[in-house]
Amino acid sequence: DSGVTQTPKHLITATGQRVTLRCSPRSGDLSVYWYQQSLDQGLQFLIQYYNGEERAKGNILERFSAQQFPDLHSELNLSSLELGDSALYFCASSRGPTSLGYTFGSGTRLTVV
Amino acid sequence: TQLLEQSPQFLSIQEGENLTVYCNSSSVFSSLQWYRQEPGEGPVLLVTVVTGGEVKKLKRLTFQFGDARKDSSLHITAAQPGDTGLYLCAGEGGSGGSNYKLTFGKGTLLTVNP
Repeated sequence: DSGVTQTPKHLITATGQRVTLRCSPRSGDLSVYWYQQSLDQGLQFLIQYYNGEERAKGNILERFSAQQFPDLHSELNLSSLELGDSALYFCASSRGPTSLGYTFGSGTRLTVV
Repeated sequence: TQLLEQSPQFLSIQEGENLTVYCNSSSVFSSLQWYRQEPGEGPVLLVTVVTGGEVKKLKRLTFQFGDARKDSSLHITAAQPGDTGLYLCAGEGGSGGSNYKLTFGKGTLLTVNP
């Protein structure tokens, strides 16, 4: 157990639907990062939050949004889902706004059918 | 765009052999990290290197950061089946202005056969 908790572990949904992925960071970590992993693209950075504020943004689609709540857990919302959104979504956390190492969760495998 | 290129993409070896995987970029990074990922799990941090020319050893694994902080290598001595996994390098910071996120390479998939 890495200390980063992601739910659900698996999600199957239809095109056009909306889903919410949840992440609880490791105790004491203030930064949360979301990554998408697919076979052809590898791990792609989506977005980072630090202590409730958006800190950095990657190649996150407009259909995707995220937030970090006062208790530091984070949610990634994916809407108008397309087949190409099928991937592993990872959350990672670190102590500060920059890090010398992330702790990753086990991921959510999203399948869009 | 900062790119980290890893080579080889796939590596299949016999138990007991030595191997080296490489991570190269045209960008300078403030730190470089190596992770190992097993199927169905998230990447697990192995090491972070921050100083150009730095060498770190973790049991049978030796990590080196290039003098110019643009490249790194991972050498495994006497590989064991338990070393099997996807090895990812990731750079933080750098000349591209991406100060807060890690940029990952696509990884080297290592299989160690008994």
